[in-house]
Amino acid sequence: AQKVTQAQTEISVVEKEDVTLDCVYETRDTTYYLFWYKQPPSGELVFLIRRNSFDEQNEISGRYSWNFQKSTSSFNFTITASQVVDSAVYFCALNQGGSQGNLIFGKGTKLSVKP
Amino acid sequence: KAGVTQTPRYLIKTRGQQVTLSCSPISGHRSVSWYQQTPGQGLQFLFEYFSETQRNKGNFPGRFSGRQFSNSRSEMNVSTLELGDSALYLCASQDSGVGAARREQFFGPGTRLTVL
Repeated sequence: AQKVTQAQTEISVVEKEDVTLDCVYETRDTTYYLFWYKQPPSGELVFLIRRNSFDEQNEISGRYSWNFQKSTSSFNFTITASQVVDSAVYFCALNQGGSQGNLIFGKGTKLSVKP
Repeated sequence: KAGVTQTPRYLIKTRGQQVTLSCSPISGHRSVSWYQQTPGQGLQFLFEYFSETQRNKGNFPGRFSGRQFSNSRSEMNVSTLELGDSALYLCASQDSGVGAARREQFFGPGTRLTVL
């Protein structure tokens, strides 16, 4: 069965701190896709990044970086020098290679960045 | 391009009633998925439509149904509403068919349904 676990329910940091959001997944498939989404208070889910199971290369995009490790089934997300605007709920999601349009989401991590 | 739109944004119904929610995908996207978000269960997949056909279905009772029209717009219907159906219902559109799993889904702002 597929499963995504985000063990951190809530995280609170002070502006300019670095913060890492953890994501652990379970799947029996060898082909799968991992995603991170951000949900601000407005409610709309905003796509951040996609990674496929064959590409373990880490990625950096501005203040965001992602660490994908198949050996530990983890796909962690780090925000460097956090800002108040980063406050949101962040979701990690999994999609198997053969399925269509069916994202399995973790429970989400609520990040609060205080000034 | 315009994003995914959902109507209405807010809805209040009473137990036993039925409700229809609407979703217009991004122009050119033929796949539409629906998700239910509640504080207890989180985000759960309801169903996905592609070219007017239901392609995938989550683990929800038959009271939840949907359809897709030839212009890719989709509706979902919940009959005999229960208190537990109160949730944010999110619609997502995706670019096309083959290899859909590797492509990101673009979400609408959601419809907040309250059942009294």
